Amino acid sequence: ETGVTQTPRHLVMGMTNKKSLKCEQHLGHNAMYWYKQSAKKPLELMFVYSLEERVENNSVPSRFSPECPNSSHLFLHLHTLQPEDSALYLCASSQDQWGSYEQYFGPGTRLTVT
Amino acid sequence: GNSVTQMEGPVTLSEEAFLTINCTYTATGYPSLFWYVQYPGEGLQLLLKATKADDKGSNKGFEATYRKETTSFHLEKGSVQVSDSAVYFCALLFHSGSRLTFGEGTQLTVNP
Repeated sequence: ETGVTQTPRHLVMGMTNKKSLKCEQHLGHNAMYWYKQSAKKPLELMFVYSLEERVENNSVPSRFSPECPNSSHLFLHLHTLQPEDSALYLCASSQDQWGSYEQYFGPGTRLTVT
Repeated sequence: GNSVTQMEGPVTLSEEAFLTINCTYTATGYPSLFWYVQYPGEGLQLLLKATKADDKGSNKGFEATYRKETTSFHLEKGSVQVSDSAVYFCALLFHSGSRLTFGEGTQLTVNP
């Protein structure tokens, strides 16, 4: 099993839909992250969880709602999205949120909002 | 604040050419430095890292040396292959728990 998995890999949704992205890490890490990668823009950190507690929310609109039920799983619940939310959403994990621990990334979910 | 500036792409090379992708950073203190690679349709993979000045990170023929005096961490490879075609990201991270700060990425295309 690869280190960080994400499902689905591709998602097309309308602006009125509700969907969820799932991330699972098999590395025994304590910190998990959601990033947004849009064309022609640097990676944007959205949320950070440490030991299942949200420790950072970088001014993300409320139409994105994260959930971390345990240290291995991270969800991103989506509702009433806008076309500009179309992007690649990347999940990552690291040993801990502190220290120079490298982050391990999943393959991403390519989201298209129509 | 912290920032990372990468060489603008896209970069197009022929197979076996020498590669340099420049990366400079602005930060107060001495962060750890990373290069990540993103192959088409995939997430980011750690390519190499260096945690202190003068350290050299290396992996898969790629190298980068942490230069404190020039605040740089340039990525080099002596002979690129078609399979190296990807987007390369330079990033920094402080031990005290700041977040990974990424550069904008450099698209590399290697032609046969």
